[in-house]
Amino acid sequence: QLVLTQPPSASASLGASVKLTCTLSSGHSSYAIAWHQQQPEKGPRYLMKVNSDGSHTKGDGISDRFSGSSSGAERYLTISNLQSEDEADYYCQTWTTGSNVIFGGGTKVTVL
Amino acid sequence: EVQLLDSGGGLVQPGGSLRLSCAASGFTFTNFAMNWVRQAPGKGLEWVSGISGGGGSTSSADSVKGRFTISRDNSKNTLYLQMNSLRAEDTAIYYCAKSLVVVPTTIDFWGQGTLVTVSS
Repeated sequence: QLVLTQPPSASASLGASVKLTCTLSSGHSSYAIAWHQQQPEKGPRYLMKVNSDGSHTKGDGISDRFSGSSSGAERYLTISNLQSEDEADYYCQTWTTGSNVIFGGGTKVTVL
Repeated sequence: EVQLLDSGGGLVQPGGSLRLSCAASGFTFTNFAMNWVRQAPGKGLEWVSGISGGGGSTSSADSVKGRFTISRDNSKNTLYLQMNSLRAEDTAIYYCAKSLVVVPTTIDFWGQGTLVTVSS
């Protein structure tokens, strides 16, 4: 069964970097995922798609401070030079061969 | 500029029905799959249903199968979600979301959401 696992929380200081992890369940390490950001009281926003080889394609207008990478069954979102507006929930998302969309549980990022 | 305008939410009694709409603009609607995703109060994102660009293929989460029906009118650039037999646990903000390609895969754009409250 395809499952995405995310740690519930992460934190880093203003101006520092934070690396978020999304782990694909066993047998699904070749899957691409997408990252979405949801700021408090707002709707989600697409950030980027990350492929198994680490290549990534960002959405329109997404800051260079956001980057994606991969290692095995893990997909990463790195936020550099952390700003107060980066405090948000971050969700990873993928899909099954039957076109069912799957979300991870989300990681809440706190800027210290 | 891509725009998705969700509407149709409101207060409905348990067992009742509601139809959500999503008006799309700024892209060739028929070339892209569309989805409905919901978020219960204080919870994470939950995919509800998806439909291919041509409308011939649909898929749904087990939690709504047999109760919710996704459809689209490509002549009107509009996505729908017919919700029947509503339950308290269906209370959520419902988002219309566009996929990157013709089948439901990467979501690359979101509507603003419409609130559905199921309560007596």
